[in-house]
Amino acid sequence: DTGVSQDPRHKITKRGQNVTFRCDPISEHNRLYWYRQTLGQGPEFLTYFQNEAQLEKSRLLSDRFSAERPKGSFSTLEIQRTEQGDSAMYLCASSLVGQPNTEAFFGQGTRLTVV
Amino acid sequence: AQSVTQLGSHVSVSEGALVLLRCNYSSSVPPYLFWYVQYPNQGLQLLLKYTTGATLVKGINGFEAEFKKSETSFHLTKPSAHMSDAAEYFCAVRRSGAGSYQLTFGKGTKLSVIP
Repeated sequence: DTGVSQDPRHKITKRGQNVTFRCDPISEHNRLYWYRQTLGQGPEFLTYFQNEAQLEKSRLLSDRFSAERPKGSFSTLEIQRTEQGDSAMYLCASSLVGQPNTEAFFGQGTRLTVV
Repeated sequence: AQSVTQLGSHVSVSEGALVLLRCNYSSSVPPYLFWYVQYPNQGLQLLLKYTTGATLVKGINGFEAEFKKSETSFHLTKPSAHMSDAAEYFCAVRRSGAGSYQLTFGKGTKLSVIP
């Protein structure tokens, strides 16, 4: 396994369009996280899943955002009616539950530009 | 609630000089602390982490950090900077134990290495 994989790496979309990003975690990892990173800032937590259950959502995750992890493996993050303020790097991370000191491993991110 | 403050958004050092990147945290419970490195248009790579035990932790690429509870600090150091160390560095905190697994990141410090 080569790590957390995100697709696409870059996405340019027009304002008002819908976009969907995919994340494939490390295969044995059962926790999956989404973060958003805007220019000049650190990543900000959006949501996380344990297996297929979405257990925590940030207030940053407006009703235009929806995340799913239907079979407890890959996850998708959809943004509806995109706005220019949605332009950011969207990072996915995964970790393994059951280990007390586990850390999250990050993918290379999807950079979204809304024009 | 947790927060991270990284002092200095940009640090420049000469090749071979000491690298010191500062991180102070705020946490209502014993924290887990992390340093991540990010190269341009890439995801985050874990450098090192503190969870429990020894307060001086060693990471990859010759970096180390010391957890000082009395100072609520977790500064990152490297004795001798290399050109390949030029990147952005993020300090992050997570609450220990079960419950929320989200990371709270600082705003990052961009390290430049002067030849």
